[in-house]
Amino acid sequence: AQSVAQPEDQVNVAEGNPLTVKCTYSVSGNPYLFWYVQYPNRGLQFLLKYITGDNLVKGSYGFEAEFNKSQTSFHLKKPSALVSDSALYFCAVSPNTGFQKLVFGTGTRLLVSP
Amino acid sequence: NAGVTQTPKFRILKIGQSMTLQCAQDMNHNYMYWYRQDPGMGLKLIYYSVGAGITDKGEVPNGYNVSRSTTEDFPLRLELAAPSQTSVYFCASSYSGGAGGSTDTQYFGPGTRLTVL
Repeated sequence: AQSVAQPEDQVNVAEGNPLTVKCTYSVSGNPYLFWYVQYPNRGLQFLLKYITGDNLVKGSYGFEAEFNKSQTSFHLKKPSALVSDSALYFCAVSPNTGFQKLVFGTGTRLLVSP
Repeated sequence: NAGVTQTPKFRILKIGQSMTLQCAQDMNHNYMYWYRQDPGMGLKLIYYSVGAGITDKGEVPNGYNVSRSTTEDFPLRLELAAPSQTSVYFCASSYSGGAGGSTDTQYFGPGTRLTVL
């Protein structure tokens, strides 16, 4: 069965500094990987996804993520954090065979201080 | 487009009461999903539907029922509310033109916060 681990409950970073939110996964075969963001009292919003091809995926709001097959990781990154990036971030995985449901990680809270 | 809408936003139920959480989407998506979000637990899939008239269980279906009579609507029914069903419920939808929905971006509604006392 597939699973996702987000090892950090919270990440703190100062505005203007680079940020990384970590995600590792376990799945049979090749994965489809997603990042979603949740702002307070809102539903999840799609940020980016990796399906195939280039290991570096660029998404919304200046975020990017790097797929690393050997380390089974899909870390979310941004070169320069903004206070408005403060939110809850979820990584999700699905195998690439047939219809399989997305499995979400437990989420990482990102706090960007001014 | 309104996207995915959910009603109500908040609800308090007494143990044993029943209610229906409404979900509608106007994007002509064929796939729809219900999740629950518990603190520190991420999202768990309750039920999903790949089209009108077709539904299937997810990871945590016990205590819930769904129906999908139209493409647009996917209501979630709680028959006998229990404190364990206190959670935030999210509906989502996606479009799949292929054999499966694994690659498709899911679009989420704003959620319904349910408390069972």
